[in-house]
Amino acid sequence: DAGVTQSPTHLIKTRGQQVTLRCSPKSGHDTVSWYQQALGQGPQFIFQYYEEEERQRGNFPDRFSGHQFPNYSSELNVNALLLGDSALYLCASSAGPSSYNEQFFGPGTRLTVL
Amino acid sequence: RKEVEQDPGPFNVPEGATVAFNCTYSNSASQSFFWYRQDCRKEPKLLMSVYSSGNEDGRFTAQLNRASQYISLLIRDSKLSDSATYLCVVTLSGSARQLTFGSGTQLTVLP
Repeated sequence: DAGVTQSPTHLIKTRGQQVTLRCSPKSGHDTVSWYQQALGQGPQFIFQYYEEEERQRGNFPDRFSGHQFPNYSSELNVNALLLGDSALYLCASSAGPSSYNEQFFGPGTRLTVL
Repeated sequence: RKEVEQDPGPFNVPEGATVAFNCTYSNSASQSFFWYRQDCRKEPKLLMSVYSSGNEDGRFTAQLNRASQYISLLIRDSKLSDSATYLCVVTLSGSARQLTFGSGTQLTVLP
């Protein structure tokens, strides 16, 4: 049973560029959440997708956007990259959007902005 | 003030030691509480949920004090494999869908 998968593993971009990160949820899961983890910090919630809609959003600017596809996979898009966007981006999936449903994290995409 | 605050660490303890981590949260209406474990350069993984009555899973004991808005994790008989960063996590009232993480406490168990 495949767990949560993310691609790419690593990515290097320059300021002002745009990036798309991808996530496939664990089998049987329909909800995907995205988190940003800066070095030495805990993950910060970006947003959650359920039934192909953004259901909740954290304190991130509109440069961060996402999408969920009918097969429950998801994309995170970041426009106009800043140096401060350098971080580990984690995708988590769950069987339903409630906090009572355990979230399983993928291995993350490490983004470096130069 | 951060929504979830943890001991800054790092904690370096010998094998077999007992170690305790503390965490406080600022929103008194917080609903759910967890401890996650994150190994170096890996993803966080759920260690255990934390219930008001306290709960135990083998060598790990978690406790919640809602009046003091305080969560703890006790690890007994530490193993080398317990070395990791331990993240305190809550869900906030009105934001039940999102996990709010503390900055984590790094534990190194020494042989």
